[in-house]
Amino acid sequence: DIVLTQSPGTLSLSPGERATLSCRASQSVRGSHLAWYQQKPGQAPRLLMYGASSRASGIPDRFSGSGSGTDFTLTISRLEPEDFAVYYCQQYGNSVYTFGQGTKLEIK
Amino acid sequence: EVQLVQSGAEVKKPGESLKISCKGSGYSFSSYWIGWVRQMPGKGLEWMGIIYPGDSDATYSPSFQGQVTISADKSITTAYLQWNSLKASDTAMYYCARQVGGGSAWFSDYWGQGTLLTVSS
Repeated sequence: DIVLTQSPGTLSLSPGERATLSCRASQSVRGSHLAWYQQKPGQAPRLLMYGASSRASGIPDRFSGSGSGTDFTLTISRLEPEDFAVYYCQQYGNSVYTFGQGTKLEIK
Repeated sequence: EVQLVQSGAEVKKPGESLKISCKGSGYSFSSYWIGWVRQMPGKGLEWMGIIYPGDSDATYSPSFQGQVTISADKSITTAYLQWNSLKASDTAMYYCARQVGGGSAWFSDYWGQGTLLTVSS
């Protein structure tokens, strides 16, 4: 199975700052089939990005994704108060889909 | 509007059986895969498996193969996750999610609200 390692585990930033979240795969993700989800306390996850760089419907353009192969990045250009949450990457290119362990984005 | 509505919270004892549900509406239920995801208390997301309600073709993560059964009844637009003998370690939140994509590469665009399962003696 592909192991996804997200870094950092926790990211402390202030509103208005830029956030860069990393997701590294133990082997190449076929077709760049990588998604990002946001989860707030007590809520279900919400799809942000798919195909590494395509924004899901209704997602603000301050969210962007990039990467291929084994290295992927989610960038939030200017943090809004509602962006503080846990973010998960997921690869769905190999037969056994896997999630990263999550990055918690907290207010500094 | 696409909606996935899951059954309510459950409290069960070890060894008991359980079937939780996920009812889809607002789209062609038979034409989209449904996935199940586990989230243990304070932990991350784990992909369990998916099912195609059109023909009930199901694929499991090796970690969950033989531990749970995923099924669907397209006539009532409902997917299920079932245990025959619960363990305390099954205590978790379980989410269903509609899968989109193609070519055997599916990601989750709409999620249910989750079903909290507590297994305790």
